[in-house]
Amino acid sequence: GDSVTQMEGPVTLSEEAFLTINCTYTATGYPSLFWYVQYPGEGLQLLLKATKADDKGSNKGFEATYRKETTSFHLEKGSVQVSDSAVYFCALKGNQGGKLIFGQGTELSVKP
Amino acid sequence: DVKVTQSSRYLVKRTGEKVFLECVQDMDHENMFWYRQDPGLGLRLIYFSYDVKMKEKGDIPEGYSVSREKKERFSLILESASTNQTSMYLCASSLAAGTKYTEAFFGQGTRLTVV
Repeated sequence: GDSVTQMEGPVTLSEEAFLTINCTYTATGYPSLFWYVQYPGEGLQLLLKATKADDKGSNKGFEATYRKETTSFHLEKGSVQVSDSAVYFCALKGNQGGKLIFGQGTELSVKP
Repeated sequence: DVKVTQSSRYLVKRTGEKVFLECVQDMDHENMFWYRQDPGLGLRLIYFSYDVKMKEKGDIPEGYSVSREKKERFSLILESASTNQTSMYLCASSLAAGTKYTEAFFGQGTRLTVV
């Protein structure tokens, strides 16, 4: 079945460092891909999405490009802030009836 | 502003109790979901519903049941709570199943502790 694999955390960075969180997927057909963020004590919020190959999703300085050839959707940000400290989830939605399938989550901690 | 509201942020229940977790959405979404979140395991789907009175099992339905009597409300029921059901529970909703491009909207979560 469909699945998502994320790089393990926790990831600890200094403020203004470059961030990459790797995400790869296995799916039949052409899924839509999502990144969600969960700030401490809160539910999940959509960060960005891409619905077809070579699409780039972007929001709040974060970007991710849908790479079908490598089945990847890596999250990047050029300069992280303390306020970006959160857990980041990669997810896909394929043809399985609208269900979102999540990776295990990557915790990011940004130090001043 | 779209909203998914879970009835409790924190719950403490005793082993063997019947537990109800309630979720309400105001977006007229057809789909509703219950996920369980555990460290290192991500979010795992317990049950989902495409329409009123319709439900389907997710990946980990054992020990749980659901109820959807109205479109806006989706309840998760722990028939007899056990300590291994201590977890964070997240409710979500989204537009109809045929639209794979739309995101899901999440509630704030209910942290359940079973003692």
